[in-house]
Amino acid sequence: EAGVAQSPRYKIIEKRQSVAFWCNPISGHATLYWYQQILGQGPKLLIQFQNNGVVDDSQLPKDRFSAERLKGVDSTLKIQPAKLEDSAVYLCASSQPRTGIVYEQYFGPGTRLTVT
Amino acid sequence: GENVEQHPSTLSVQEGDSAVIKCTYSDSASNYFPWYKQELGKGPQLIIDIRSNVGEKKDQRIAVTLNKTAKHFSLHITETQPEDSAVYFCAATPRTSYDKVIFGPGTSLSVIP
Repeated sequence: EAGVAQSPRYKIIEKRQSVAFWCNPISGHATLYWYQQILGQGPKLLIQFQNNGVVDDSQLPKDRFSAERLKGVDSTLKIQPAKLEDSAVYLCASSQPRTGIVYEQYFGPGTRLTVT
Repeated sequence: GENVEQHPSTLSVQEGDSAVIKCTYSDSASNYFPWYKQELGKGPQLIIDIRSNVGEKKDQRIAVTLNKTAKHFSLHITETQPEDSAVYFCAATPRTSYDKVIFGPGTSLSVIP
């Protein structure tokens, strides 16, 4: 089966500009996650979707970050305006939940964002 | 909330030697502990996991151990090969959140041929 797709793979922008990332999860996976991975750190969850609804966005800086998952499939993550500290790899992951069972998250290759 | 610590941050071993990475967690209710491998330019990939009702699990050259009392767990890689070079992340999933994964800061493993 095809994996999680993300685009673009790399993006360089100046501070205060806006940027958007796209994610296509594995077909049939109801849960989608966006993570931020700063260099030298583990991934940190930004937002979690179940189908097209938000389950957890407690770590999302909502003054500048937004995300949507229209029709419960593809998702976009937007940053506006970007700050220097937003430089990181943005990872998308998906999974298929099963009641009472912990399930594996499948990660895409990520988008490396550099803010100058 | 859950906090996961990981040591060492970097590890170099000779090919054929063993590598051990150790992690601690803070939430005693956590009950699932996956390990991810991240190669350069790729996303993390699950390599092995262990549940709180099991003390040890092995898959070929990889093994994980869990000490619930001490709240720590470890990854053991035997007969290391150059392709094992990557960043390894331990993680914990709280019992109340089957769909959440809290990652440690990672260990960069280098296997020297």
